[in-house]
Amino acid sequence: ETGVTQTPRHLVMGMTNKKSLKCEQHLGHNAMYWYKQSAKKPLELMFVYSLEERVENNSVPSRFSPECPNSSHLFLHLHTLQPEDSALYLCASSQEGRFYNEQFFGPGTRLTVL
Amino acid sequence: QKEVEQNSGPLSVPEGAIASLNCTYSDRGSQSFFWYRQYSGKSPELIMFIYSNGDKEDGRFTAQLNKASQYVSLLIRDSQPSDSATYLCAVPIRSGGYNKLIFGAGTRLAVHP
Repeated sequence: ETGVTQTPRHLVMGMTNKKSLKCEQHLGHNAMYWYKQSAKKPLELMFVYSLEERVENNSVPSRFSPECPNSSHLFLHLHTLQPEDSALYLCASSQEGRFYNEQFFGPGTRLTVL
Repeated sequence: QKEVEQNSGPLSVPEGAIASLNCTYSDRGSQSFFWYRQYSGKSPELIMFIYSNGDKEDGRFTAQLNKASQYVSLLIRDSQPSDSATYLCAVPIRSGGYNKLIFGAGTRLAVHP
């Protein structure tokens, strides 16, 4: 595997379900990010982990719960979601401390909440 | 709140023409800028990075930065239908000891044959 991978690629869930999104980066980076992208809206930064510590939580509802067990893996645990949470969820990684700290994105998980 | 503004488009250009995409930003302290391309249903991919005033060229792409005017643009020469995508301007900022990107809403480009 190379770059940033995300699983699953597509997820349909009911409002009472509990599911998790997984992200893995193979780039040796030390920062990871979760973004939400709804139709016709800009990217919304949800969470930032730097050196495995959550450093930003952008007023995200508690039904979204991130977890970063190590610098290569990032999870987003979902429970009791709402239909308006349907969106493309993107994971990204970067290397803190570099001048040119490009963020590399995974392919995303397309989430549909029924 | 630091902001990045882009015209949402769509910007429609004929094949072979020059497409010009613009971005303005509110933070005078911003030093570098990214342009990402995002095809429909796909994730963003980096196409250009610029941190100096003036032009930076990479193949058919030229990024232009004017820090005094807080303006960065992306020119695509000889536009192809495969360039049809949404182009996102992003500004890195440092907040609380870590880096993050502030993205514009993106400009949708449509190149027609």
